[in-house]
Amino acid sequence: QVLLVESGGGVVQPGRSLRLSCAASGFTFSRYAMHWVRQAPGKGLEWVAFIWSDGSNKYYADSVKGRFTISRDNSKNTMFLQMDSLRAEDTAVYFCASHKGYYFEYWGQGTLVTVSS
Amino acid sequence: EVVLTQSPATLSLSPGERATLSCRASQSVSTYLAWYQQKPGQAPRLLIYDASNRATDIPARFSGSGSGTDFTLTISSLEPEDFAVYFCQQRSSWPPLTFGGGTKVEIK
Repeated sequence: QVLLVESGGGVVQPGRSLRLSCAASGFTFSRYAMHWVRQAPGKGLEWVAFIWSDGSNKYYADSVKGRFTISRDNSKNTMFLQMDSLRAEDTAVYFCASHKGYYFEYWGQGTLVTVSS
Repeated sequence: EVVLTQSPATLSLSPGERATLSCRASQSVSTYLAWYQQKPGQAPRLLIYDASNRATDIPARFSGSGSGTDFTLTISSLEPEDFAVYFCQQRSSWPPLTFGGGTKVEIK
């Protein structure tokens, strides 16, 4: 079955960097576009970034543009989110999700990122 | 950016009752709208896409309707496992892909 497993979250100081990973299995990863979606504690969902199946195109929410970079390694069935210049407002659970017509079909369990001094 | 407004914020119902959740878009999104269910500590789950299509393995008690700016998610008869938070999401105009603020369906 489809399995998405995020990792790399933790506590980081403002202005520092963190790299999240999303390991995929149970489907042909290289054929699917992928997304990152986040959820601040007790809040709603916010789309963060999107990458095409071959990695050729990438899109970002304005709130993270210029600070976050989405990428993927299809040979390792893994997607990444490089987060630089982190801010307190980036504190959230970060989910990776598979793309289905610009909806989010399968989700990982999420990894918590806390930005705090 | 398309803003999605969900109502009510909280819906208090008993098992077996019918739940009707609303999602209103700030501009027309045609039928490019999805619904998700999220339980505490879990990831969201896709329920409905393109306004009225049930996702894989979603029970028939969940149905979606609407087009343009007004959408409804209906749960025909609430089961105990249906008490959760529900979000709508549009894909008509992006980036960004946007979500509504959510409706919590709680046990009365």
